[in-house]
Amino acid sequence: EAGVTQFPSHSVIEKGQTVTLRCDPISGHDNLYWYRRVMGKEIKFLLHFVKESKQDESGMPNNRFLAERTGGTYSTLKVQPAELEDSGVYFCASSQGRQGASPLHFGNGTRLTVT
Amino acid sequence: AQSVTQLDSQVPVFEEAPVELRCNYSSSVSVYLFWYVQYPNQGLQLLLKYLSGSTLVKGINGFEAEFNKSQTSFHLRKPSVHISDTAEYFCAVRFPQGGSEKLVFGKGTKLTVNP
Repeated sequence: EAGVTQFPSHSVIEKGQTVTLRCDPISGHDNLYWYRRVMGKEIKFLLHFVKESKQDESGMPNNRFLAERTGGTYSTLKVQPAELEDSGVYFCASSQGRQGASPLHFGNGTRLTVT
Repeated sequence: AQSVTQLDSQVPVFEEAPVELRCNYSSSVSVYLFWYVQYPNQGLQLLLKYLSGSTLVKGINGFEAEFNKSQTSFHLRKPSVHISDTAEYFCAVRFPQGGSEKLVFGKGTKLTVNP
């Protein structure tokens, strides 16, 4: 079974540019999550999809961040325009079954550096 | 506010020594508890989880954790560590009540096992 896949693994962009991160969850997993870890801080929740619907987007920092999940499969997270404070590691995770009890399977993350 | 505290940011130990990584959470309701590990340049991997039942939970790689409801703690232990256990360890809590399925993470503990 393939795990959660994230592209790219690293991205370096200048302030004001746009970046799109992609996540392919484990096949059949309805739940897809985005998390972010800013250097030195804890991993923080961004949002949660159930299939193609946004179940909880309370962690999205501002309207420069846009997440989509096309057809309930892969997901993209776009940052436009990027700011210096957006630098960090963005993790995607997926799960299936009863949401609360099902563990999350994480991807390797995308390390975003905004200069 | 719901929070997770990992009391030690770094824990150095010698190979074959026992180790305990501490985790406390704040909640007055039932929670689900998880420990994840992140090896260098990899994603987060589930070590173990507590959902209900026996308070002593065994996970992969010889790790175990004990849930203590009165102390709201979920400390991770291993009786004898190996060099390969060097990694960052994250305690995470899910608060199933209230409709949100997000994980709340602690800041992580970097375990360094020295020869």
